[in-house]
Amino acid sequence: GAGVSQTPSNKVTEKGKYVELRCDPISGHTALYWYRQSLGQGPEFLIYFQGTGAADDSGLPNDRFFAVRPEGSVSTLKIQRTERGDSAVYLCASKQGPLENTEAFFGQGTRLTVV
Amino acid sequence: SQQGEEDPQALSIQEGENATMNCSYKTSINNLQWYRQNSGRGLVHLILIRSNEREKHSGRLRVTLDTSKKSSSLLITASRAADTASYFCAPGGFKTIFGAGTRLFVKA
Repeated sequence: GAGVSQTPSNKVTEKGKYVELRCDPISGHTALYWYRQSLGQGPEFLIYFQGTGAADDSGLPNDRFFAVRPEGSVSTLKIQRTERGDSAVYLCASKQGPLENTEAFFGQGTRLTVV
Repeated sequence: SQQGEEDPQALSIQEGENATMNCSYKTSINNLQWYRQNSGRGLVHLILIRSNEREKHSGRLRVTLDTSKKSSSLLITASRAADTASYFCAPGGFKTIFGAGTRLFVKA
């Protein structure tokens, strides 16, 4: 597609369940980012991929969060044993390369609600 | 990579007025970017200014960068109701980090 696509757009899950959030970056973009945003806050960095490998996962809050990008394109953010505090909008962005002076293109996000 | 801090946290103006928001950061950068976010969804890139540039224009947007003060400003001239959004700065780095942003409200 022409832009970054995130699915689903909304997800409601029960506390304790497992969820997967998907991100399809712009074709050819090697860098991919996941962010989490709570109401009234800025996007909080979670993890950054360069190709298939996680170049920086320092933002993942705990070991319930995990992300993969096995073929260097689509990425999946996985959350185990969800908690109510995980409720937020999860944003994905992609960049053309590891260069500092390139812009990030964002998807519309997945709104996760844990009840 | 580092996080920018935007100021003010919120700004309310009348349509037609200019809006100025500021960004401060801590360590040297090669560039700084500004993004806009409507309705808590995806961010949209507005403009990138390099460290060797002092000012840059794009339509009604004017961005300045003062590397000696480690600060940047975003000016929106002749604001419109459609400019109502949150604005974020991102000091340069491989890892794009965002602060809390400035929430701009333009009253029609």
